[in-house]
Amino acid sequence: DTAVSQTPKYLVTQMGNDKSIKCEQNLGHDTMYWYKQDSKKFLKIMFSYNNKELIINETVPNRFSPKSPDKAHLNLHINSLELGDSAVYFCASSQLQEQFFGPGTRLTVL
Amino acid sequence: QKEVEQNSGPLSVPEGAIASLNCTYSDRVSQSFFWYRQYSGKSPELIMSIYSNGDKEDGRFTAQLNKASQYVSLLIRDSQPSDSATYLCAVTPGGYNKLIFGAGTRLAVHP
Repeated sequence: DTAVSQTPKYLVTQMGNDKSIKCEQNLGHDTMYWYKQDSKKFLKIMFSYNNKELIINETVPNRFSPKSPDKAHLNLHINSLELGDSAVYFCASSQLQEQFFGPGTRLTVL
Repeated sequence: QKEVEQNSGPLSVPEGAIASLNCTYSDRVSQSFFWYRQYSGKSPELIMSIYSNGDKEDGRFTAQLNKASQYVSLLIRDSQPSDSATYLCAVTPGGYNKLIFGAGTRLAVHP
């Protein structure tokens, strides 16, 4: 029983394309997050939603648009993909302070 | 100055020894502190959280927090080869429910 799941696990695409990553949590948490881990393994917050409301937006290009249809789901849509978007994207969720991560989506932009 | 700093390592320890991982943070009003373990190609896994000064023990792991010195550490007793991973220190800045991560320390436990 996966607590935080993401699809797809791998995503390979061409520059300029638009792609989406989906995240679901079955922990009953109110808050969900997107993090980006770059090639140097540095993990950085992108967005946070609390009960479907955007509460953190960390100066991410507006090509990135998160959407939360309900508090168990948080999707990430990326327009006009660039080479620099290649990274591993992690979804996470929390109820209080402790955050639990999904398995990650490895995005490769060619 | 980076917000959360860790020695990148690798930190190499023999099996059975104590591994000591250190982290400093710059935001004095940081409230919550976490240690995550990340195996290569996997997601970060929460292993310890600590919120007040002092020590917190959980099995072979002990987290230590000193807010005056803005320092948090993780001790792993009786290190095992399976502990070989990157250990990420994370901090929640005051008033924000987000994690600021350090770059991680790579730990290698050799038999």
